Amino acid sequence: DIQMTQSPSTLSASVGDRVTITCRASQSISSWLAWYQQKPGTAPKLLIYKASSLESGVPSRFSGSGSGTEFTLTISSLQPDDFATYYCLQYKSDYTFGQGTKLEIK
Amino acid sequence: QVQLQQWGAGLLKPSETLSLTCAVYGGSFSGYYWGWIRQPPGKGLEWMGEINHSGSTNYNPSLKSRVTISVDTSKNQFSLKLSSVTAADTAVYYCARGQYTSHWDLQTRRVFYFYYMDVWGKGTTVTVSS
Repeated sequence: DIQMTQSPSTLSASVGDRVTITCRASQSISSWLAWYQQKPGTAPKLLIYKASSLESGVPSRFSGSGSGTEFTLTISSLQPDDFATYYCLQYKSDYTFGQGTKLEIK
Repeated sequence: QVQLQQWGAGLLKPSETLSLTCAVYGGSFSGYYWGWIRQPPGKGLEWMGEINHSGSTNYNPSLKSRVTISVDTSKNQFSLKLSSVTAADTAVYYCARGQYTSHWDLQTRRVFYFYYMDVWGKGTTVTVSS
């Protein structure tokens, strides 16, 4: 099984900040990683796939990078709508989600 | 624009079988995998399993003995059954579409397909309580 370790679990930031969330895989997953945003009471929304490809309609302030075992999601300038929980997902072998990062208003 | 609409019983007793169905509207049913993911209250996401239009399935090993996913291509629907439920199965259950990306492997000279969830249903809350 491939394990995904996401950090931090909670992140406090302000509107306009640049923030980075990290996901580490227990073995190489090449670029088979996606990032999702989830708001309370709603389904996850796809932001990034194949580590760095931006899903259609997702604002360009979201970006993803990495390959192998270490990946990052960066939000270049936080907007009020971005405060949510973020999950990574490996899809190289079955599927494993990271534990989630709750992005809170500072 | 593809949409997933899901339904099923929301309250079960321990030992009963959970049954949910997801219908696909506005898009092709073939060429994708169709999966189920669940989220216990206040916790993270857990992949349960998936199926394609041909009926080929993959299951999470931790749930494999209790999960069955089936497909009805005549209705563009797929379904989840989870047997012998307990309170630990209380969760929001989501259906989702598996979108593929392809990769050409130079060593084996074969194309591999990798699927990620791109479209999700709204979720169904299932509570298991005596």
